[in-house]
Amino acid sequence: ILNVEQSPQSLHVQEGDSTNFTCSFPSSNFYALHWYRWETAKSPEALFVMTLNGDEKKKGRISATLNTKEGYSYLYIKGSQPEDSATYLCASAGDSGAGSYQLTFGKGTKLSVIP
Amino acid sequence: SQTIHQWPATLVQPVGSPLSLECTVEGTSNPNLYWYRQAAGRGLQLLFYSVGIGQISSEVPQNLSASRPQDRQFILSSKKLLLSDSGFYLCAWSIGQVVSYEQYFGPGTRLTVT
Repeated sequence: ILNVEQSPQSLHVQEGDSTNFTCSFPSSNFYALHWYRWETAKSPEALFVMTLNGDEKKKGRISATLNTKEGYSYLYIKGSQPEDSATYLCASAGDSGAGSYQLTFGKGTKLSVIP
Repeated sequence: SQTIHQWPATLVQPVGSPLSLECTVEGTSNPNLYWYRQAAGRGLQLLFYSVGIGQISSEVPQNLSASRPQDRQFILSSKKLLLSDSGFYLCAWSIGQVVSYEQYFGPGTRLTVT
């Protein structure tokens, strides 16, 4: 079972501030790292999936980086907006050994953007 | 386009009662299917996954079970609920068996065991 840790647990920022959070995961037997955004009363929604060391992905004001050798990923939000308020989950993919893969999720970082 | 449905949305059940949560996926064939639970103060925990009809893998020992009677139907059950079964249950699907494929989540079921 993988151990995926996210920090901080929660974060309050002012509208317009940029912010970032961390996801750490075991670097051995790495397959992929997923980031999801989970807004209140909605389903988790995929943001990024990264597989290669040094990967950088960007979607609008949100970007993510991946370091598989040291086992961490950063998620950055530039110019936070109230609609960015959500819990951000990362998950590391592992081989189930049964012809599928499975995700092990961290507990998430809850972001609140204050207008 | 693909959609995923879960029901019921909320459920309040007494300890010792049975449980049946249903998940169906539309618009895709032979998906991988997953049941997750988020208990209070904890992250999403994988409970069961399925790569095909009748094929169920369990991740944690518990009093829950899962079944996949049809290609796009995934059911989570219990014969006798425990207080510790309370939580938010999410069903998800993914295409095939490629680690770079994202998972798509349903709307979830909030279960409160009293």
